[in-house]
Amino acid sequence: QKEVEQNSGPLSVPEGAIASLNCTYSDRGSQSFFWYRQYSGKSPELIMSIYSNGDKEDGRFTAQLNKASQYVSLLIRDSQPSDSATYLCAVNNAGGTSYGKLTFGQGTILTVHP
Amino acid sequence: SQTIHQWPATLVQPVGSPLSLECTVEGTSNPNLYWYRQAAGRGLQLLFYSVGIGQISSEVPQNLSASRPQDRQFILSSKKLLLSDSGFYLCAWSLTVTSSYNSPLHFGNGTRLTVT
Repeated sequence: QKEVEQNSGPLSVPEGAIASLNCTYSDRGSQSFFWYRQYSGKSPELIMSIYSNGDKEDGRFTAQLNKASQYVSLLIRDSQPSDSATYLCAVNNAGGTSYGKLTFGQGTILTVHP
Repeated sequence: SQTIHQWPATLVQPVGSPLSLECTVEGTSNPNLYWYRQAAGRGLQLLFYSVGIGQISSEVPQNLSASRPQDRQFILSSKKLLLSDSGFYLCAWSLTVTSSYNSPLHFGNGTRLTVT
């Protein structure tokens, strides 16, 4: 069983719509969750971090965390063609000795069409 | 502000040749440093991490090695490259973890390695 799972997509949404990206994780002790955006041929770029249950908003991005369901999501409002990229969900390995090691999902390809 | 430099950006090497990729971080002290690899169409795989000078932890057995000769310098090496070593190599740093709320990773621009 994969530790962090994402739907690989591609997810296609029209410009201006809400894109919803989902991620589930298997380690119930995980406490830190991150979303990265990776454009083709580029390195991942951090866009959101979330540590507590509930929603966290930053501009057009909202991260949602539900630890009971082991589920984290990313909503992108008013999607733009420039949002077209692969979105990576990352989860820390549980425990204080994890040294910041993150486990990444395979990524969801998002395409925003005009 | 912190910056991370990684070079070279692209590299084409023959099978059996040596490898040396370098990464340096500026603007922070005693960072945790990481090497990840992303094979074509696959996810990010953690290869090595380091919490201090001379301290290296390996995540997967392979013909690669890593070294940290200075606080903010991380080097990935191989004595003899294999075809399977091709991929996108990413260096990353994070703040030293002081609690279980880990700081995020910040990636360099990556090195695209093609072994022929």
